[in-house]
Amino acid sequence: DGGITQSPKYLFRKEGQNVTLSCEQNLNHDAMYWYRQDPGQGLRLIYYSQIVNDFQKGDIAEGYSVSREKKESFPLTVTSAQKNPTAFYLCASTPRQETNYGYTFGSGTRLTVV
Amino acid sequence: AQSVTQLDSHVSVSEGTPVLLRCNYSSSYSPSLFWYVQHPNKGLQLLLKYTSAATLVKGINGFEAEFKKSETSFHLTKPSAHMSDAAEYFCVVSDTDSWGKLQFGAGTQVVVTP
Repeated sequence: DGGITQSPKYLFRKEGQNVTLSCEQNLNHDAMYWYRQDPGQGLRLIYYSQIVNDFQKGDIAEGYSVSREKKESFPLTVTSAQKNPTAFYLCASTPRQETNYGYTFGSGTRLTVV
Repeated sequence: AQSVTQLDSHVSVSEGTPVLLRCNYSSSYSPSLFWYVQHPNKGLQLLLKYTSAATLVKGINGFEAEFKKSETSFHLTKPSAHMSDAAEYFCVVSDTDSWGKLQFGAGTQVVVTP
């Protein structure tokens, strides 16, 4: 079945450490997105990518980095510069230039700073 | 610019009674509108979407929503709540010019009591 796989489901990070969250899709979708979810704040866009080797900053990109070397993969790195990384991270994808398609979401990664 | 306001952060209903989740939006262009549901520690699942066709949209699990342009509203309803409807619900808007970038409401937490 087609879908989006996020791993790991739970991740613990020490202060000053970089961690990478994985997002893989087999839907042949062109666009991929990373969102951060905090209680009571809905979802906020971190980065998005419309095509391979291209990506754009979202609303809260500081302290994060991404790459898009393959169509299927869009990993997110949470760097030590992100001062408050504890959150639920969601990856999503959509076919290109179909704004009325809606997103397909992964099941999320919960990151906790210890 | 687009924005979404979910008018209730929490809604509590009894099993078997109607559910109403209110959403107002602002959009500079003809919007696409979506409702998503999220169960605890899960990704988001698309319930239904409005894309300038019929103003009354039917979705999965007995939910429906009505697009009212004059009121800039897109309220979600269900005639009879089930215990499995307990979850968080997000109203989402996408402008036709924003290429897949969605704006999420803050969410409404639904509690269903026996």
